Amino acid sequence: AQKITQTQPGMFVQEKEAVTLDCTYDTSDPSYGLFWYKQPSSGEMIFLIYQGSYDQQNATEGRYSLNFQKARKSANLVISASQLGDSAMYFCAMRPGGSNYKLTFGKGTLLTVNP
Amino acid sequence: EAQVTQNPRYLITVTGKKLTVTCSQNMNHEYMSWYRQDPGLGLRQIYYSMNVEVTDKGDVPEGYKVSRKEKRNFPLILESPSPNQTSLYFCASSSPDSYYGYTFGSGTRLTVV
Repeated sequence: AQKITQTQPGMFVQEKEAVTLDCTYDTSDPSYGLFWYKQPSSGEMIFLIYQGSYDQQNATEGRYSLNFQKARKSANLVISASQLGDSAMYFCAMRPGGSNYKLTFGKGTLLTVNP
Repeated sequence: EAQVTQNPRYLITVTGKKLTVTCSQNMNHEYMSWYRQDPGLGLRQIYYSMNVEVTDKGDVPEGYKVSRKEKRNFPLILESPSPNQTSLYFCASSSPDSYYGYTFGSGTRLTVV
């Protein structure tokens, strides 16, 4: 069984600073994918970034980067130059490889960006 | 536009009154799934479907039914809703070549009183 752990229920960051949201995972599958989603107060799930277990480089998408440490089974999200609009709930999720499409989610981290 | 459409967005109902939340996708995805989101618990899978007429239980299936008679539609049925089913529900779809995992619907906020 797969498990995602997000140990930070809430985080605060000052506008324009960087912030790291923690995510650790547990799986016995050799192949898997890791995702981060953003959920603003309006409720929709917004895909941010993806990292494959065999990817050699850490994924980046604009101000988002994923600090992937396979041996430690961690997939932390780094948001650079935080903006007020980054205030939201952030979910880490994992999907096994092969024909299993199930996404397993962590409990989420509520990020608040202060002006 | 590629999307997953859920209806309704908001629903308040009474205990025991059967309801259906509809979900439709226009991407020809084989895989569809329902999640519920509760504070402090993240998103938990209710049911999923690998293709037409193929459905299976997720982690929290009690009190729910689904059907997959057509590839594009995957309705969630609550035969006798109870207050503990008050939650935010998401439908999502995916396919083998879907790099981004899932495409999510906008969510249905259900309140059972």
